[in-house]
Amino acid sequence: GIQVEQSPPDLILQEGANSTLRCNFSDSVNNLQWFHQNPWGQLINLFYIPSGTKQNGRLSATTVATERYSLLYISSSQTTDSGVYFCAVDPRETSGSRLTFGEGTQLTVNP
Amino acid sequence: NAGVTQTPKFRILKIGQSMTLQCTQDMNHNYMYWYRQDPGMGLKLIYYSVGAGITDKGEVPNGYNVSRSTTEDFPLRLELAAPSQTSVYFCASSYTGGGIQYFGAGTRLSVL
Repeated sequence: GIQVEQSPPDLILQEGANSTLRCNFSDSVNNLQWFHQNPWGQLINLFYIPSGTKQNGRLSATTVATERYSLLYISSSQTTDSGVYFCAVDPRETSGSRLTFGEGTQLTVNP
Repeated sequence: NAGVTQTPKFRILKIGQSMTLQCTQDMNHNYMYWYRQDPGMGLKLIYYSVGAGITDKGEVPNGYNVSRSTTEDFPLRLELAAPSQTSVYFCASSYTGGGIQYFGAGTRLSVL
């Protein structure tokens, strides 16, 4: 099956710093989604981004489907950004109903 | 609007016991999913459903069963619980296959 690799596995920032999280995938995909899991375990969808660039406040994401990677940018980080960021892909070989998750990037933002 | 609701939030089972994890969504979504998340890992798909009466296996279905009698509900059944099933279980739903998935708050299960 498709492989999803996220980097870095861990990231520690000071409040106000910027960061870039990367997601590489091994095969063509129908779509790609980024999620944030907060310290209480709740998963929130950040972006639905099979290709191109989207922005939502201090967060933006870019997916280059032809080169099989996606980037999540966090600017002016805040302590509330802490948690785990997951990339999940829907492989093109499937019926469009099955997300494969990476193992996540654990982000800690210190005050 | 409640979204996706999971019950219970926490449960401890003894080896060999059975239980049902409940999941309800009020968004009229056709697609529903069950995932498990082991410590420090990403989520793995257990089962999914594309509509009432239709279910299919995901990546890790062994030891679990599901049913989908209504659009709103998608319960997950554990038969003969084993320590390997200790995990956090998430239910999710989406309007279309491959669409944005919305997650419940999770059920933390320990099998001792």
